[in-house]
Amino acid sequence: AQSVTQLDSQVPVFEEAPVELRCNYSSSVSVYLFWYVQYPNQGLQLLLKYLSGSTLVESINGFEAEFNKSQTSFHLRKPSVHISDTAEYFCAVSKAAGNKLTFGGGTRVLVKP
Amino acid sequence: NAGVMQNPRHLVRRRGQEARLRCSPMKGHSHVYWYRQLPEEGLKFMVYLQKENIIDESGMPKERFSAEFPKEGPSILRIQQVVRGDSAAYFCASSLALVGVRTEAFFGQGTRLTVV
Repeated sequence: AQSVTQLDSQVPVFEEAPVELRCNYSSSVSVYLFWYVQYPNQGLQLLLKYLSGSTLVESINGFEAEFNKSQTSFHLRKPSVHISDTAEYFCAVSKAAGNKLTFGGGTRVLVKP
Repeated sequence: NAGVMQNPRHLVRRRGQEARLRCSPMKGHSHVYWYRQLPEEGLKFMVYLQKENIIDESGMPKERFSAEFPKEGPSILRIQQVVRGDSAAYFCASSLALVGVRTEAFFGQGTRLTVV
C-alpha cells in the first residue's frame, strides 16, 4: 500500500515570492508521482507528473517538482507566485500503471498582494 | 471534446433518502474512478470501473454504497439511506487506459452532497 504526507496544510505567501510545497510518500513498489491543483469549487487539474527519466519535471506555468528517491519526496516549487496561484495543491502517487491514485491531505496556498 | 461531466453539481438530501451521482467520462474513455473528499481532507479512492465491470472497489464502504458503469450511459454512484457523514464532494475521473506513461486521469468538477 502507498501513503502520501503533505506536511503543510496551509502556506501563506506574498506575490512574487517563492513557494515550496512538501510531499513525502511511502511505497514498497515503484510509483508514479503527481501534483494536482484544485481551484475553488473546481475539479482537480493535473499540474505535473513524474513517471521515469529526469527527476526534475516542470509544468507550463512555472511550477517544478523534483523526485528524490532516497528521501522519498516529490516537493513542488515555484520561484515567483502570482495571485492566480491561490488554490489547493494535492500530491498523489499510483503504482506504475496502476488503477488508482493515493492522495495527500492537500496544501492550501494563499497568495497575498 | 467535453471533459468529464458530473451532475448534479450540488445535491441536498435528507437523512434516509437516496443520492444518485452521475458521471459521463470523456469521449472514448472506458476507465472510470470515483473519489470522495471529506471536508478538510484529501481525496480518497472509492471504486474503479470499466464498462459494465467493477474492477476495484476496495475503497467503497461495505453498506449503502454501490457503483455501476453500464454499456450505455453514465457511471452512477448510488448512496442509499444517506447519513450526515456522507456529506462530501464526490469526484469522478476517467482515463483511456490504466494511468501510466501515455495516459492520465481527468477529473470532473465534482458533486457536492449535503445531507441535512
